[in-house]
Amino acid sequence: ILNVEQSPQSLHVQEGDSTNFTCSFPSSNFYALHWYRWETAKSPEALFVMTLNGDEKKKGRISATLNTKEGYSYLYIKGSQPEDSATYLCAFFSGSARQLTFGSGTQLTVLP
Amino acid sequence: SQTIHQWPATLVQPVGSPLSLECTVEGTSNPNLYWYRQAAGRGLQLLFYSVGIGQISSEVPQNLSASRPQDRQFILSSKKLLLSDSGFYLCAWSTTGAVYGYTFGSGTRLTVV
Repeated sequence: ILNVEQSPQSLHVQEGDSTNFTCSFPSSNFYALHWYRWETAKSPEALFVMTLNGDEKKKGRISATLNTKEGYSYLYIKGSQPEDSATYLCAFFSGSARQLTFGSGTQLTVLP
Repeated sequence: SQTIHQWPATLVQPVGSPLSLECTVEGTSNPNLYWYRQAAGRGLQLLFYSVGIGQISSEVPQNLSASRPQDRQFILSSKKLLLSDSGFYLCAWSTTGAVYGYTFGSGTRLTVV
């Protein structure tokens, strides 16, 4: 069983604050790490697919980094806005699995 | 382009009643198909996945079952719902191998009363 952990479980920040969260995954047999943004009662939306150690991806105010040797990825949000409020999921794809293994998510609430 | 349809969007069912949720994919052939559930306060749990017609892998033993009668159709069923079956159900598809991630359906909110 692959273990993918996300921290913190939930986070409240003020509008304009920058924030980051962590995804930890097995460092062996790595293929890809995915980040999704999931709003309540909607389908998860893909943010990034990361495949190489040292990868950095950016989409507007959101960026992510990847360290496959130590098994972690960080997601950063710069200048949080209320519309950033959502659950952020990471998912790990290994060479031995046929499907993604999801973390339990970080629930972000941005207060106006 | 590929699209995924999932229905119904919401469902309220009594304990002991049957369940059928349907998911169809358009614009691709031989997709990998998945059913996930999010129970209250918990993360996404993989229930079933399928790599082809009639091929179903179950990840969690429970009173749910899945079927894939056609290449792009995936059905989640139960003969008798339990209270613990309440949750948000998501269907997803991927290309073979899933390394590029999933595309999710819009989800079904199931409340068992």
